[in-house]
Amino acid sequence: GESVGLHLPTLSVQEGDNSIINCAYSNSASDYFIWYKQESGKGPQFIIDIRSNMDKRQGQRVTVLLNKTVKHLSLQIAATQPGDSAVYFCADREETSGSRLTFGEGTQLTVNP
Amino acid sequence: KAGVTQTPRYLIKTRGQQVTLSCSPISGHRSVSWYQQTPGQGLQFLFEYFSETQRNKGNFPGRFSGRQFSNSRSEMNVSTLELGDSALYLCASSAITYTGELFFGEGSRLTVL
Repeated sequence: GESVGLHLPTLSVQEGDNSIINCAYSNSASDYFIWYKQESGKGPQFIIDIRSNMDKRQGQRVTVLLNKTVKHLSLQIAATQPGDSAVYFCADREETSGSRLTFGEGTQLTVNP
Repeated sequence: KAGVTQTPRYLIKTRGQQVTLSCSPISGHRSVSWYQQTPGQGLQFLFEYFSETQRNKGNFPGRFSGRQFSNSRSEMNVSTLELGDSALYLCASSAITYTGELFFGEGSRLTVL
């Protein structure tokens, strides 16, 4: 089946820098694109989502960009902090699929003090 | 508000046995979904229950089953365990209407020997 994938398995940044995590998706029928954060020993935690008819959405210190032309999704984290260290997953969902999310492979973000 | 609660957190079984995992969703959430997380396959959707009915099912063999009770609590069962069933099993709940925000529990770590 189609899946959502991430470009890089690991990303290391300095505290205070901005982080950009990228994701490529293949399902053109997806209605929502979502970012989750998973800390060690915990379940994934919702960060932000964006509907397919939008190209940008901002949250607290995070911005998600969607480029449907090239099927690309990115998560920007401003002023990255040590507490941001985690695995980040992108996921997609069709409106008719209920809670069925298709997850990408994940990017391990490490923030160095 | 209490989060999603999964029990047991850790368990060890041997091949051929069966296992039942339990999930209590956030109060008021009627949708419960289950995901399997492994290092090799990542996060994969198992099934979703809504108002005691299976609404969606992922691509897993029939050994994987689930159910939901009238109080929205859910259980999943894996019969005839195989070594490859070793994984973190995550339960997530969501409100009736949402975009992509699932609330995950901390998971049940199953090891099959």
